[in-house]
Amino acid sequence: KAGVTQTPRYLIKTRGQQVTLSCSPISGHRSVSWYQQTPGQGLQFLFEYFSETQRNKGNFPGRFSGRQFSNSRSEMNVSTLELGDSALYLCASSPASTVETQYFGPGTRLLVL
Amino acid sequence: AQTVTQSQPEMSVQEAETVTLSCTYDTSESDYYLFWYKQPPSRQMILVIRQEAYKQQNATENRFSVNFQKAAKSFSLKISDSQLGDAAMYFCALGPYNQGGKLIFGQGTELSVKP
Repeated sequence: KAGVTQTPRYLIKTRGQQVTLSCSPISGHRSVSWYQQTPGQGLQFLFEYFSETQRNKGNFPGRFSGRQFSNSRSEMNVSTLELGDSALYLCASSPASTVETQYFGPGTRLLVL
Repeated sequence: AQTVTQSQPEMSVQEAETVTLSCTYDTSESDYYLFWYKQPPSRQMILVIRQEAYKQQNATENRFSVNFQKAAKSFSLKISDSQLGDAAMYFCALGPYNQGGKLIFGQGTELSVKP
């Protein structure tokens, strides 16, 4: 089976712009979780989608949003980008809404100038 | 609040030797998973080992084993016969059963392996 894929792998944006990141889970997986990784804050949970519904949400402002499609692919959107949004964004997929068998993608590195 | 603490930002080990990485956590949940993930320079998160809190037996995966002390909320990782390929950032993570796909990560321990 193909692993979790994330596109794009690298992205450069300027402050105030918006960005959309995509995550394609492993075939058959219905849950997608998103994480932000920064040197200062470490790895922080953004949100999880399962069967097109948001199941959990971390402590991030409303500028961070996501959605999941019927084929389980997920997108996350960040509006009005700030310099502090520069980070590695990781997604992880799982067959069910559980961390037991969660597989991570390679990440999207976002740089905000 | 649920927290995971890794008190060793950096560790170093000689090739073929054994090293132990420390992790403590705090949760009020009774059912949860604990994990160790490895993140090499490629940034791909790789699951090293998993422990279910209700299991008293410590998990083992080849050269990797854990020392799970539930009462002390401690979850250390032992790497035996260290190899150059073990050099990476290691993250301890907590996953409560009732919070779906949410993992709470520690700050990580950078492990270097000296030849």
